[in-house]
Amino acid sequence: AQSVAQPEDQVNVAEGNPLTVKCTYSVSGNPYLFWYVQYPNRGLQFLLKYITGDNLVKGSYGFEAEFNKSQTSFHLKKPSALVSDSALYFCAVRLIPSNTGKLIFGQGTTLQVKP
Amino acid sequence: DGGITQSPKYLFRKEGQNVTLSCEQNLNHDAMYWYRQDPGQGLRLIYYSQIVNDFQKGDIAEGYSVSREKKESFPLTVTSAQKNPTAFYLCASSTGQGHSPLHFGNGTRLTVT
Repeated sequence: AQSVAQPEDQVNVAEGNPLTVKCTYSVSGNPYLFWYVQYPNRGLQFLLKYITGDNLVKGSYGFEAEFNKSQTSFHLKKPSALVSDSALYFCAVRLIPSNTGKLIFGQGTTLQVKP
Repeated sequence: DGGITQSPKYLFRKEGQNVTLSCEQNLNHDAMYWYRQDPGQGLRLIYYSQIVNDFQKGDIAEGYSVSREKKESFPLTVTSAQKNPTAFYLCASSTGQGHSPLHFGNGTRLTVT
């Protein structure tokens, strides 16, 4: 079965420190990979995606993600965390080819950035 | 501004009543989706539609129904057959192309007592 795993329910970092939110996937073939952020009682906002090419992709709000094909991982990173980065983060995959466009989501990781 | 509008933001219903959640988009997207969000479970796909007058069941379609009579609109009905309807419901749309992200509305929180 196709699945996405976010092994940490919560990640705690101090403001100014680097952060990493982990994501691994198990799918047949090569997927497109996405990261989203969700603030309380809001919808999901798209942060970045990996399609092909450079393994390090840059996205919104200073976030970046590193694709590792051999480890089937797509970890989200930021060099210096802000308190305002505190939110719920979701990793998602779309299978290739896709006739449906649907995304398979991980269970989410809560990021807590403390001043 | 283009976007997806879900209404209402909060919805309260008594057990046994059907309820319809609205989703409208002005992004000219072909594909639309309904996801359900429960704490600790991520997002689970209920229904999706890639084109007007066509839709398919997702992973948890039982107890739900949808229609897609217009490109802009994809309402979701939560029927009395849905055993545990209290949840946060999210509507999304996309161009349907493989690498295009989903754009989400701000959700409807449904509470059934």
